[in-house]
Amino acid sequence: EVQLVESGGGLVQPGGSLRLSCAASGFTFSSYSMNWVRQAPGKGLEWVSYISSSSSTIYYADSVKGRFTISRDNAKNSLYLQMNSLRAEDTAVYYCAREHATVTKRYFDYWGQGTLVTVSS
Amino acid sequence: EIVLTQSPGTLSLSPGERATLSCRASQSVSSSYLAWYQQKPGQAPRLLIYGASSRATGIPDRFSGSGSGTDFTLTISRLEPEDFAVYYCQQYGSSPKFGQGTKVEIK
Repeated sequence: EVQLVESGGGLVQPGGSLRLSCAASGFTFSSYSMNWVRQAPGKGLEWVSYISSSSSTIYYADSVKGRFTISRDNAKNSLYLQMNSLRAEDTAVYYCAREHATVTKRYFDYWGQGTLVTVSS
Repeated sequence: EIVLTQSPGTLSLSPGERATLSCRASQSVSSSYLAWYQQKPGQAPRLLIYGASSRATGIPDRFSGSGSGTDFTLTISRLEPEDFAVYYCQQYGSSPKFGQGTKVEIK
C-alpha cells in the first residue's frame, strides 16, 4: 500500500524557517518524481515545488522561489521542503504528492494527509 | 500562464441527481494532462480522473470525465451521499495548475 506521511509542520514566526518531511513507503520511491502542494485555510490547492526521481530537475512556484528548497533522500525514502523567510501567506496545509508521469499522462496519484504550517507572531 | 476556471462555484443537488462540473482553460491544454480530484473536509485530495477521461483505480463508474481543448467536464451520473465534496481540475503544462474548485453540496 502506498503511503506518504508528512511531518514537521507547526507554528513559526514571520521570517522564520521550517523543514517539512515526507516519508514514503509501499512503492519504489527512487523511481518517482515528487511534488509539494499547499492549501491555505479555506482556499484551493496551490502547487509549490517539483523534484525528479534523481533530483536532477527541480521547479518552484514563483511565490516560493528563492525561499523554499525541495530535496529528497532516496536511500531514506524521504522528501523534504526547507522553508525559509516564511510569510503569513505561507500559512497552509502542505501535502506531498507522488507524480505519475508517462509520455502521454501526468498527474498526482497519491497524496499524504498533510502537515499544517502556521506563520504568525 | 494558463488559468483554469471552474463553474459553478457551488452546486446544490440531492442524492440521486446528476452533477455536471465545468473546467475551462484560458488557452488550449492537452487532454492528456487534465485531471480531476475530489477533496472532503479534513482529507487530502484524491485522484478521480486523469487524461481527461480515464478513471483512476477504484473510482466508481458513476464518475466520468470528458472534454478537450479549453473545455472539460466532470460528470457524476447519480450522486451518492459520499460524493458531496469539493472537486478540483488540474492541468499539467509547464507547471501544475489547479482550478479554484467546485463544491457539491446537499440541497
